[in-house]
Amino acid sequence: GQQVMQIPQYQHVQEGEDFTTYCNSSTTLSNIQWYKQRPGGHPVFLIQLVKSGEVKKQKRLTFQFGEAKKNSSLHITATQTTDVGTYFCAGQTSYDKVIFGPGTSLSVIP
Amino acid sequence: EAQVTQNPRYLITVTGKKLTVTCSQNMNHEYMSWYRQDPGLGLRQIYYSMNVEVTDKGDVPEGYKVSRKEKRNFPLILESPSPNQTSLYFCASLGVSSYEQYFGPGTRLTVT
Repeated sequence: GQQVMQIPQYQHVQEGEDFTTYCNSSTTLSNIQWYKQRPGGHPVFLIQLVKSGEVKKQKRLTFQFGEAKKNSSLHITATQTTDVGTYFCAGQTSYDKVIFGPGTSLSVIP
Repeated sequence: EAQVTQNPRYLITVTGKKLTVTCSQNMNHEYMSWYRQDPGLGLRQIYYSMNVEVTDKGDVPEGYKVSRKEKRNFPLILESPSPNQTSLYFCASLGVSSYEQYFGPGTRLTVT
C-alpha cells in the first residue's frame, strides 16, 4: 500500500541553526500537506502544496514539492525555541485518502 | 470559534470494558476522521466518514467501530478494548471545499 516516509525521525539543533525535514511517498501525490504538533498538543495545519516543483514560504519556513510529486521538504531558517514540535507531512492521493508520515521531532537548544 | 471537541481527554480503563470517545465539530464539515498516534508511527487513520450515514475503514480499523448519525458528531467505539489500543486518539474534520483538517485536542487512552 501507499507509504509516506519522513527523515530524520529526530533532530536536535542549536537555536539559530537551520533545520530540514524530508518527506517521501511511494506513490505520486495529488497534493501534500504539512502539519505542526507542539508537545502535548494536536496537529495544526501549516500549508498545502499542489503543483509540481512548487515552493512556498511562510516567514522562516520554506516548503517544497518535488517535480515528480512524490517528495517534499520543509526547511526552517534560523530556528527559534518556538519552532519546537513534531512536523508531519501528509500525502493525499484522493479526497478521502490522506496518509501521514511518521513525523520529525525537532528540539531547539537555547 | 471553529473547533473540534473530544471527550474524554483522558481515560484509563480495563480490558473488555466497552467505551465511547465522542467527537463533535461546529464547522458543518462533511468529512470526519479518527486517527491514533503512537510513537514512531505518526498518525494512522482508523475510520473516516464522508457524510452522514457514510463511513469507511482507514488503515487500522480492527477493534473499532464508528457511527455518523448526525453531521456534527462522529463517536469512536471500542466494544472490547485491549492493551494494544492504548494510544493517543485524534478526531479531525474537513470541509468539501477545503484541504485543511482541523484536529481535536486528543484523547489519551490507557487500557490495562
